[in-house]
This record gives sequence, C-alpha cells and structure tokens, in this order.
Amino acid sequence: NAGVMQNPRHLVRRRGQEARLRCSPMKGHSHVYWYRQLPEEGLKFMVYLQKENIIDESGMPKERFSAEFPKEGPSILRIQQVVRGDSAAYFCASSPQGATGELFFGEGSRLTVL
Amino acid sequence: GDSVTQMEGPVTLSEEAFLTINCTYTATGYPSLFWYVQYPGEGLQLLLKATKADDKGSNKGFEATYRKETTSFHLEKGSVQVSDSAVYFCALSGRGGSYIPTFGRGTSLIVHP
Repeated sequence: NAGVMQNPRHLVRRRGQEARLRCSPMKGHSHVYWYRQLPEEGLKFMVYLQKENIIDESGMPKERFSAEFPKEGPSILRIQQVVRGDSAAYFCASSPQGATGELFFGEGSRLTVL
Repeated sequence: GDSVTQMEGPVTLSEEAFLTINCTYTATGYPSLFWYVQYPGEGLQLLLKATKADDKGSNKGFEATYRKETTSFHLEKGSVQVSDSAVYFCALSGRGGSYIPTFGRGTSLIVHP
C-alpha cells in the first residue's frame, strides 16, 4: 500500500518531554501538510512543506513546534516541552502538486500528554 | 480569510433516510469545494469535489452542488446506510490566494439500523 504513512499511531508523553511525529507521503508526492484535530473542533492547518522548504507555517504555534521535510526521509513534526493542551490527533496529508486542494491523508498520530 | 461553516452534529438518522448536511463558505476568488469523510480511527478521505459554479460532485450515492449565489455546497444522499456513519468535513481551496485547504468543523453522522 503506497498511501500516506504516519508513525507512531499513538504516542504518550509526560509534560515537558518531546514528541516527534513522522510522515511519509505517498509515492510521487512532494507536498506535505500537517493538520491538528482537537476534540470538538475541526481540522486546523499547521504547516505546509515541500522537500527541504517550509512554504507556509502560519498555523504553527510560535514556540515549541517545528517541522521539516528533508531531501531524504519522512517529514517530521516536532513538539518540544509538551503540555496537556498539545493532546490531539495530528494528521499528515500529501499531494502531488500544491494547487489542487485535493489531499491524501494518513491515519493520524494521536498524542496524549499526561 | 477563507472559512467554512457546517451544520452542527450529530445528525442521527434511520437507515434509508434522506441526508442533508449543510455547508456554506466565505472565500475570495473562486474556490474549489470538497467533501471529505472520516471513518472512526482513520484519516480523512476525499468523497467528492466541485471546481466551479453549478458543478455537481458525486460519489457513492452522495452529491453536492456548487452554488455560487448562496455560497453553499450542501451534501445529500437519498438513502443512507449504517456504513455511512462517519464524520463529514466540508472544505475549500482558494484559487487566487492560498491553496491550502480550509476545513469546516465536521458533522458527525450516525445511522441506526
């Protein structure tokens, strides 16, 4: 299956620890998007990346959050010094090109902060 | 900025009932419109789309028509099944501006046998 692969599917961290979420886009896709889904809320855009470039990070909190999509390997969303409010489902999506709006989603990584 | 408003859920229906989930949008330019579906424990999947006014998107018995005059893209299905139980998200992607899709809050659909 050449779909969008996210790992880990579930991650538990204590307050103050770091969380790293990985996303491998579909084969042939060079555009990656990260969204956060909080309980009772919709899907909130965080960051849009192409290989080695951050295109739009307007939805990323200014502190503790970072993302990368290196030339080789998966895209990584990193959350430093996690707090309980970071508990959410984080979805990665990819597309073959950036201008269609049609995204292919992974199954998500569910972060729980104790 | 761009935004999408969906009717609040949950929507609870009996099998074979008619479904409507309302969606309206605010956007500059002429966006493309989408419905995505999220089954429990899974990621979102594209259900249907429409790229210009009066276009009708359809898939798996679901339909939605791009109404520019009312800025709406309501999702309909004539006869729902238990397997349609999921969360449905309306989304837009704005031409002429950001192509990053903006999603509504999602509407949960529960279908009883």
